[in-house]
Amino acid sequence: AQTVTQSQPEMSVQEAETVTLSCTYDTSENNYYLFWYKQPPSRQMILVIRQEAYKQQNATENRFSVNFQKAAKSFSLKISDSQLGDTAMYFCAFMKPDYGGSQGNLIFGKGTKLSVKP
Amino acid sequence: DAGVIQSPRHEVTEMGQEVTLRCKPISGHNSLFWYRQTMMRGLELLIYFNNNVPIDDSGMPEDRFSAKMPNASFSTLKIQPSEPRDSAVYFCASSYYSGAYGYTFGSGTRLTVV
Repeated sequence: AQTVTQSQPEMSVQEAETVTLSCTYDTSENNYYLFWYKQPPSRQMILVIRQEAYKQQNATENRFSVNFQKAAKSFSLKISDSQLGDTAMYFCAFMKPDYGGSQGNLIFGKGTKLSVKP
Repeated sequence: DAGVIQSPRHEVTEMGQEVTLRCKPISGHNSLFWYRQTMMRGLELLIYFNNNVPIDDSGMPEDRFSAKMPNASFSTLKIQPSEPRDSAVYFCASSYYSGAYGYTFGSGTRLTVV
């Protein structure tokens, strides 16, 4: 079974600084998808960024980028120029596509609580 | 699109009562998921549907939980009878068939059973 581990329960960063959140996963699959979701105090789960395992290039979305190390099964999230609005829980998630015709299950880590301080 | 719509946003009920949570997925999405979030267990998949058909309900904790999707635009999650340990945030999410672009989540229902 696939597992996702986020080893940092809480982190803090000063506004405008850069922070990196860690995520590792365990799978025997070769093709899969990885995601980072953000959950602010409003409770809404918001997709931040996604990565396809067969693509070597790291995904980037504005101030958010990932460092995807397939061999190490590592998928860290870097937030540049941190803003107060980045304060949230961040969840790493793994999905193995099911080519048999059904849906892959999105498996989440326990989350990292990020606080951006002014 | 208005996104995934869940109701109610908050629900407080007494132990033993029936609770029904509702979800309207994004139009055109083929798959619908129910997740439960607690401090102890994090986000857990309860059940998911493809094209209105339940595919995997292995995450449903007990027979007290049931879910239906009578059509492509509506799903319910029912707990009968409810217990205090069912207190959690319940999320509904939907996606296109492959899910490769991630799921879109609703705002969740915070259920408190007293």
